[in-house]
Amino acid sequence: KAGVTQTPRYLIKTRGQQVTLSCSPISGHRSVSWYQQTPGQGLQFLFEYFSETQRNKGNFPGRFSGRQFSNSRSEMNVSTLELGDSALYLCASSLGWGNEQFFGPGTRLTVL
Amino acid sequence: DQQVKQNSPSLSVQEGRISILNCDYTNSMFDYFLWYKKYPAEGPTFLISISSIKDKNEDGRFTVFLNKSAKHLSLHIVPSQPGDSAVYFCAATPNYGGATNKLIFGTGTLLAVQP
Repeated sequence: KAGVTQTPRYLIKTRGQQVTLSCSPISGHRSVSWYQQTPGQGLQFLFEYFSETQRNKGNFPGRFSGRQFSNSRSEMNVSTLELGDSALYLCASSLGWGNEQFFGPGTRLTVL
Repeated sequence: DQQVKQNSPSLSVQEGRISILNCDYTNSMFDYFLWYKKYPAEGPTFLISISSIKDKNEDGRFTVFLNKSAKHLSLHIVPSQPGDSAVYFCAATPNYGGATNKLIFGTGTLLAVQP
């Protein structure tokens, strides 16, 4: 069974640009969550989706948004990039509530 | 406000001995706890979990203990192997079986197992 896949694996952008990251969950998983990992703040929850609906959102500005498609694939978008958005962005999927979450390899975003 | 704390940034253990990683939390609403292992530039790998209705859960070399009154959990690895060297994160969620999968992560402990 294939694991969680994330594309692209690496991205370099400049301040002010926008970026879209993609996540394909494990087959059959309907819940997708996104996390940001930085050296200063650690792993922080961004948002989660279940059946195309955003169920929960972390404390991030509105520049961070996401969506989930009917096949459970998810995308997150960051607009007007700032230097501080440089991070490893991780996607996790699970069957539903109260189940273990499995993480993808992440997308390393560098903002110059 | 760090709701999940791992006060030891690093731990060094000899191969074959026990590794004990600790985690404290402040939110009494947390009722499901997980441990993840992470290598650099990779996503976290799920190790073991425990719900608040239990005080111990075992899976092979890994055992997690939960002390709800102290709001403390620990991960025991016995015996430790060099391949266990990684960063270990504990995580908590406030609603086991409920309507969220949101995980609150600790800051991680770097475990180094010396051959």
